[in-house]
Amino acid sequence: GQQLNQSPQSMFIQEGEDVSMNCTSSSIFNTWLWYKQEPGEGPVLLIALYKAGELTSNGRLTAQFGITRKDSFLNISASIPSDVGIYFCAGLSNSGYALNFGKGTSLLVTP
Amino acid sequence: DAMVIQNPRYQVTQFGKPVTLSCSQTLNHNVMYWYQQKSSQAPKLLFHYYDKDFNNEADTPDNFQSRRPNTSFCFLDIRSPGLGDAAMYLCATSRGLLAASSYNEQFFGPGTRLTVL
Repeated sequence: GQQLNQSPQSMFIQEGEDVSMNCTSSSIFNTWLWYKQEPGEGPVLLIALYKAGELTSNGRLTAQFGITRKDSFLNISASIPSDVGIYFCAGLSNSGYALNFGKGTSLLVTP
Repeated sequence: DAMVIQNPRYQVTQFGKPVTLSCSQTLNHNVMYWYQQKSSQAPKLLFHYYDKDFNNEADTPDNFQSRRPNTSFCFLDIRSPGLGDAAMYLCATSRGLLAASSYNEQFFGPGTRLTVL
């Protein structure tokens, strides 16, 4: 599989701030997924995107499928301490079942 | 609640001693996956089953095998664990693979942390 470019690698912010992270790929994907993983647990699916240009929200989270189909971003508004974790983007192409993951963005939120 | 369950959550084995990790799902999904995740890395797909059809990733070592006796259960067998096999092993499921649809969404279990002594 292909390794996606995910940035930033880590973020250390104060409670209440907004957060933005993004992923880019050299290949076209037909699905973008965003996951959150907490220590010792499996990734939890936050948002799924299927169409170029699609903008989808889940509570304080908003994600977009880039119009080139090679990128996606995730925004978290008004962060809270329980947002702490590692956020992974993952893309899926027509070539198979393997999710292509980014390296993750580690988010720390201070009260 | 429909879910993906992994047992045990923590497994300790000795170098070279075979070990089996198990996964079950109540989602009735067609596809089950096994991923390996090492510290500070993204999950890496080892193999998957579409129903009973087994699909191995090209770079998955022969030391790793899998069985899916029925829709609900899938097992990961590590025949001779080495120190480098210490990792979190994640099971995931999806309904299938259909371009641009919720069929593609993969749902992960909580993982099994494997320690090799």
